[in-house]
Amino acid sequence: DIQMTQSPSSLSASVGDRVTITCRASQSISNYLNWYQQKPGKAPNLLIYVASTLQNGVPSRFSGSGSGTDFTLTISSLQPEDFATYYCQQSFITPGTFGQGTQVEIK
Amino acid sequence: QVQLHESGPGLVKPSQTLSLTCTVSGGSITSGSYYWSWIRQPAGKGLEWIGRMYASGSANYNPSLKSRATMSVDMSKNQFSLKLSSVTAADTAVYYCAREWGGYYYMDVWGKGTTATVSS
Repeated sequence: DIQMTQSPSSLSASVGDRVTITCRASQSISNYLNWYQQKPGKAPNLLIYVASTLQNGVPSRFSGSGSGTDFTLTISSLQPEDFATYYCQQSFITPGTFGQGTQVEIK
Repeated sequence: QVQLHESGPGLVKPSQTLSLTCTVSGGSITSGSYYWSWIRQPAGKGLEWIGRMYASGSANYNPSLKSRATMSVDMSKNQFSLKLSSVTAADTAVYYCAREWGGYYYMDVWGKGTTATVSS
């Protein structure tokens, strides 16, 4: 299986901060990289697919970049509703595998 | 818009088979380029992809489940199902069903999840 490693595992940030989460794959996955947001007690929600395509309805403060093995999720100006856990997922090779998650907490 | 809803018994005994169903509303399970998937999440832990299937019946599974997972589709009811055999406490989790786009395999619609507990 392809291993996905996210960093950091958690971070504390303030409203308005720029936040960057990185995801590294154990081998090249081209651009088959997706990002999900999960709030406590809720199902994950797709934010970005194919590394950089914003899902319909997702605010433009979210952006994704990268290809090959290294990827980034950026929140340009953190909002109160963005405090959640974020997961990357590779869908290049079955089984699709997820990173361990990055918990974004209020500072 | 398409919505998914999981259902199943909340409690299963060790060594028995866990059976879950996902009902698709707002769209047909046979439509276009979509696969139908199961993902699980133990309490306080990360996400694990279990498997996907196409309406035609073809399926892919996570090898980590050692052939214990079987998925099926009931087109007449617009539902798909998961059976997980020989369960242990390690199978206790929230189980989600999701729609997976068949090009880049991202999951764009998720159910709310159902908790399955394995305990005697």
